[in-house]
Amino acid sequence: GAVVSQHPSRVICKSGTSVKIECRSLDFQATTMFWYRQFPKQSLMLMATSNEGSKATYEQGVEKDKFLINHASLTLSTLTVTSAHPEDSSFYICSARLPGPSVPGTQYFGPGTRLTVL
Amino acid sequence: AQSVTQLGSHVSVSEGALVLLRCNYSSSVPPYLFWYVQYPNQGLQLLLKYTTGATLVKGINGFEAEFKKSETSFHLTKPSAHMSDAAEYFCAVSGSGNTPLVFGKGTRLSVIA
Repeated sequence: GAVVSQHPSRVICKSGTSVKIECRSLDFQATTMFWYRQFPKQSLMLMATSNEGSKATYEQGVEKDKFLINHASLTLSTLTVTSAHPEDSSFYICSARLPGPSVPGTQYFGPGTRLTVL
Repeated sequence: AQSVTQLGSHVSVSEGALVLLRCNYSSSVPPYLFWYVQYPNQGLQLLLKYTTGATLVKGINGFEAEFKKSETSFHLTKPSAHMSDAAEYFCAVSGSGNTPLVFGKGTRLSVIA
C-alpha cells in the first residue's frame, strides 16, 4: 500500500526557534501533498496544499510567512514553523494524494509530528 | 462547497455489539466519501472509500459503509465491536480533481468489555 512517513515524530523546541518537519511518500510519487494541524480532541484543519514545483496554496487564516512549505521533489514536502511560539504547539499531519484515476481523491496520511514549543 | 457532519462526538458500545457511526455530507458535485480511523498520537488510516459504482463499500477490519444519495449519508457500521476498534473515526468528503478532503469533527468510539 501507499506509505507516507514524517520526521520527526516528536519535537520540543524553545520559543523563537524554527522547526522543520519532513513528509515523504515512500512508494509512490505525489504531485500534491497536504499539511494539516490538529488540536487535542479536534478534527484536522487543512493548512495548505503543496504542489511539486510550485508555490503552496494556503488556507484562509494561515500565515504563509510563518508556515513555510517547500515541495521540492515528487516524494518530499517540508513544513517549517518559523519563530515558533507556544501557541504553535500542535499535532501536524501531512498527507499525499495517490495519483491516477482509479483512486480519485484518496489521501494517505503520515503518522504525524507532535510539536511542543516551550 | 462541501461539508461533513458527524452525529455524536462520542459513541460507546459493548464488545460484540453493533457499531454505527453516522455521517451526513453536503456537496455541490458528486462526492467521494471516506472514513478514516485515528489511534492516539498517530496519523489517519483509511478504512474505506466510496467513489463510484456499488453503494455498499467494504473496508478493513470488518467495517462497511453505505452511500445513500437520497439521504446524503455515508454511515459506518460493523456488526460486532472489538476492543481494538476503540479510536477516533473521521468521515471526509472531496470532489473530483485536486480538491482537498473536508473532514467531519470526528467521533470517538469506546468499546466496553
